[in-house]
Amino acid sequence: EPEVTQTPSHQVTQMGQEVILRCVPISNHLYFYWYRQILGQKVEFLVSFYNNEISEKSEIFDDQFSVERPDGSNFTLKIRSTKLEDSAMYFCASSVATDTQYFGPGTRLTVL
Amino acid sequence: EDQVTQSPEALRLQEGESSSLNCSYTVSGLRGLFWYRQDPGKGPEFLFTLYSAGEEKEKERLKATLTKKESFLHITAPKPEDSATYLCAVQARNTDKLIFGTGTRLQVFP
Repeated sequence: EPEVTQTPSHQVTQMGQEVILRCVPISNHLYFYWYRQILGQKVEFLVSFYNNEISEKSEIFDDQFSVERPDGSNFTLKIRSTKLEDSAMYFCASSVATDTQYFGPGTRLTVL
Repeated sequence: EDQVTQSPEALRLQEGESSSLNCSYTVSGLRGLFWYRQDPGKGPEFLFTLYSAGEEKEKERLKATLTKKESFLHITAPKPEDSATYLCAVQARNTDKLIFGTGTRLQVFP
């Protein structure tokens, strides 16, 4: 069964450093998303992406964040200058249309 | 403001003891309501999508129902492997994002 994959599973970085989180969505899906979950809190929407552009973003998704689909299979989230409060699980999701979203296993980001 | 509230926060059941989890929501026009299962340290695993009041979906020991204000996830004769956090999320019309509740942490003991 096709599934969303994410790399790395765990990323440790120093405050102020740039990180890139990678995702391979399900192959026939057209809509891509990033969510995050701070430990013990709700899953929160960050951004949605369709047809090579951002279709919606939350207040969390400020100028420090960017997304890209560099080729036909990968979808990336970049954080330019990480802060301590960026520590969280980051989930990529994809969907065929704007309905059921399928999530990846997540990347645990730890900012020291 | 669109919002999802789940109850109870935690639920302990004996194996075989059926129960229900609640998801109350307020949303400006519901496009869909989603149930996910999340194991510790893992991503949400899709269970059900419900679109309109009165709709029901079933999968093995789980059954999801929807009214205009809430959804229930009924668990019949649960097994220890059903232990997980169950997340409810809503999607409003004219938006892509899912709004999640805080989840119900279910523990099933043999």
